[in-house]
Amino acid sequence: DAKTTQPNSMESNEEEPVHLPCNHSTISGTDYIHWYRQLPSQGPEYVIHGLTSNVNNRMASLAIAEDRKSSTLILHRATLRDAAVYYCILRDVVKAAGNKLTFGGGTRVLVKP
Amino acid sequence: KAGVTQTPRYLIKTRGQQVTLSCSPISGHRSVSWYQQTPGQGLQFLFEYFSETQRNKGNFPGRFSGRQFSNSRSEMNVSTLELGDSALYLCASSFGTYRGRRGDEQFFGPGTRLTVL
Repeated sequence: DAKTTQPNSMESNEEEPVHLPCNHSTISGTDYIHWYRQLPSQGPEYVIHGLTSNVNNRMASLAIAEDRKSSTLILHRATLRDAAVYYCILRDVVKAAGNKLTFGGGTRVLVKP
Repeated sequence: KAGVTQTPRYLIKTRGQQVTLSCSPISGHRSVSWYQQTPGQGLQFLFEYFSETQRNKGNFPGRFSGRQFSNSRSEMNVSTLELGDSALYLCASSFGTYRGRRGDEQFFGPGTRLTVL
């Protein structure tokens, strides 16, 4: 499986944007980039995913580099509720059947009031 | 719509015992995956069941097993418990068929916290 590299932690002030980087230099052409987050004392929850184009949803935006070797999850206005561990995961849904998610260490986001 | 439910939420066992954990997926979901989360190893994939068949398996010993019923509910069993099996066990459900642009979003339950003494 292609691997991802994320910073261990990041801090942000409330209501400011947060940019979470993820490096995936060995990404294959059929790897989708997925982001999940895990709030304290909860199971992970899906945030967003993309293949080549930038993506937006109600929770966040995903900016994907032109060469796809890196991506950035953007939380436009961080709230205290966004304090969580954010995981960047590559999933090849074409080659590999099934739902195996390979979690790395993720980035712990601290939001200061 | 109801989310993924896991029972029990907390469990205390002693070494050598066995344990069965249960997961009820979201209605309509046919895939159930199980994960183990520990402070040292993070989140690790155990196995996935789809339409009552194991479709994927992680690198765990044979003491960890699972099954899925015709209503998509799943159970996982750990036999001969060891201290290192103390962890949060999470299950996740999804349609399992990669529907369109949404891909296959997985919905996680709150987990079962297992403590082995």
